[in-house]
Amino acid sequence: QVQLVESGGGVVQPGRSLRLSCAASGFTFSSYGMRWVRQAPGKGLEWVAFISYDASIKYYADSVKGRFTISRDNSKNTLYLRMNSLRPEDTALYYCARDTRDAYSDYWGQGTLVTVSS
Amino acid sequence: EMVMTQSPATLSVSPGERATLSCRASQSVSSNLAWYQQKPGQAPRLLIYGASTRATGIPARFSGSGSGTEFTLTISSLQSEDFAVYYCQQYNNWLGTFGQGTKVEIK
Repeated sequence: QVQLVESGGGVVQPGRSLRLSCAASGFTFSSYGMRWVRQAPGKGLEWVAFISYDASIKYYADSVKGRFTISRDNSKNTLYLRMNSLRPEDTALYYCARDTRDAYSDYWGQGTLVTVSS
Repeated sequence: EMVMTQSPATLSVSPGERATLSCRASQSVSSNLAWYQQKPGQAPRLLIYGASTRATGIPARFSGSGSGTEFTLTISSLQSEDFAVYYCQQYNNWLGTFGQGTKVEIK
């Protein structure tokens, strides 16, 4: 069965960096686009970044453009999100999700919590 | 910039009643619209894609309709497990903008 397991979250000071990982299993990872979606405490869903199956296409939300970098290692079945210059407003539960060819997400991980606070 | 607007923000419904949720796009997204359900402490779950196609394992009481800019999610007879927050998402472009959510609560 499809499994997505996020890791790497934690408490970090403003301005610092963090790298999130998402380990995928149960499907051919190299055939699917993937994305990160976040949810601030008590708030709705916000799309963060998308990467195509071969990493040739990457998109970012305006709120993270220039600070976050999405990447993947298809040999390790792993998705990453490098987050630099973190701000308090980046505090959220970060989900990774598998995208279908049409770009909606059919499977989601359980999320990893990032807290940006001094 | 694409904006997705859901209404109402909160919907109070009795078990067994019908619930109708709305989602409006600021520009046409054709039928590239998905609905997700999220329960407290859980990840979102895909309910509907292509505006009206139920995802695998989703009960027939969930139905979606609409195209262009106006969409509706209908739950024909609410069960206890359906009380949750529902999000629409457009995927007409790869950005995947979400609506702000509608909370369906027990009346």
